[in-house]
Amino acid sequence: DTGVSQNPRHKITKRGQNVTFRCDPISEHNRLYWYRQTLGQGPEFLTYFQNEAQLEKSRLLSDRFSAERPKGSFSTLEIQRTEQGDSAMYLCASSSLAGGKLFFGSGTQLSVL
Amino acid sequence: SQQGEEDPQALSIQEGENATMNCSYKTSINNLQWYRQNSGRGLVHLILIRSNEREKHSGRLRVTLDTSKKSSSLLITASRAADTASYFCATVNVTGTASKLTFGTGTRLQVTL
Repeated sequence: DTGVSQNPRHKITKRGQNVTFRCDPISEHNRLYWYRQTLGQGPEFLTYFQNEAQLEKSRLLSDRFSAERPKGSFSTLEIQRTEQGDSAMYLCASSSLAGGKLFFGSGTQLSVL
Repeated sequence: SQQGEEDPQALSIQEGENATMNCSYKTSINNLQWYRQNSGRGLVHLILIRSNEREKHSGRLRVTLDTSKKSSSLLITASRAADTASYFCATVNVTGTASKLTFGTGTRLQVTL
């Protein structure tokens, strides 16, 4: 499978716990994005990497959120001290061109109890 | 934040009919893209139209863009039950990060037999 891969598909956690999600982009893509989507809404931009450099972070991304892309390959998104409001689908996407089409993974559905 | 609104929010049609959904946005754009999302899954790119284009076709899809009205429409002809999904428009702004897509709120399309 040469598409964007996200793990886990589902994560249930208790409030206050830390969670980490992983995204493996399409191998030749140097751009990687994280989006968050709540029920009935469109995806909202969280952050963007070009290779290993994190070039933009949304104001939505509080200090509890951190993303990394070591060596410009896979990426991780960590949420510390989760809150119920963090419950959402977290989507990863990759692209080869700025402004071009994005290839999305199937997402990680986070439920914070 | 969402770039704009899609209209209608929900659309129910019978197989074989055409489906039209509209998207309005707020800022000057470089291009506009349409994506499809099946329930609980990631988004799939359908078509990209640049700001200097007015109409584009891809199979049963027809997209129009009116930059003076800051609006776009997606027409799906001869719809099939398999077209049942949510459809989102997304814009790449002229200013800011060229790689960042800003999504609308989506139209939920239901195609019945």
